[in-house]
Amino acid sequence: KAGVTQTPRYLIKTRGQQVTLSCSPISGHRSVSWYQQTPGQGLQFLFEYFSETQRNKGNFPGRFSGRQFSNSRSEMNVSTLELGDSALYLCASSAKPGLPNTEAFFGQGTRLTVV
Amino acid sequence: GESVGLHLPTLSVQEGDNSIINCAYSNSASDYFIWYKQESGKGPQFIIDIRSNMDKRQGQRVTVLLNKTVKHLSLQIAATQPGDSAVYFCAEEDQAGTALIFGKGTTLSVSS
Repeated sequence: KAGVTQTPRYLIKTRGQQVTLSCSPISGHRSVSWYQQTPGQGLQFLFEYFSETQRNKGNFPGRFSGRQFSNSRSEMNVSTLELGDSALYLCASSAKPGLPNTEAFFGQGTRLTVV
Repeated sequence: GESVGLHLPTLSVQEGDNSIINCAYSNSASDYFIWYKQESGKGPQFIIDIRSNMDKRQGQRVTVLLNKTVKHLSLQIAATQPGDSAVYFCAEEDQAGTALIFGKGTTLSVSS
């Protein structure tokens, strides 16, 4: 069974640009959560999607958005990039939304660098 | 606000020793806690979880202890192996009960 696939693995963008990251969950999983990981703030929840609907959103500005498609693949978009958006963006998939999420599996992440 | 913290950013142990990683949480209403392991270049991997109605839960070579009185969580790893070297995160359920709040992580280094 293939794991969670995140693309691209690495990305370098310039301030002011926008970026789209992709996450393909494990086959059969319909819930996708996104997290931002930085050395200073650690892992922070961005949002969760289930059956194409956003169920929950973390405390991030509106520049961060996401969506989920009918095949459960999810994308997140960051507009007007700032230097502080440089981070590892992680996606986790699970069969069911919410907690407990013992069956949530993380991808390897997309390393975004904003210059 | 809600926050989960860790007592030590790094922990170094010898192979075969028992490791204890500690975590303090601030939200006394949290009902669910979880430990993750993150190896270099990989995403976090679930280790063990515990509900607030329990004080202790054991897995394979790992034990999680929850002390609600002092809002403290710990992860014990028995007979630590080099493969256990990683960053360990504790996390608690947020107030909405739908997402996790992570601590900053403890880097465990195991030497042979």
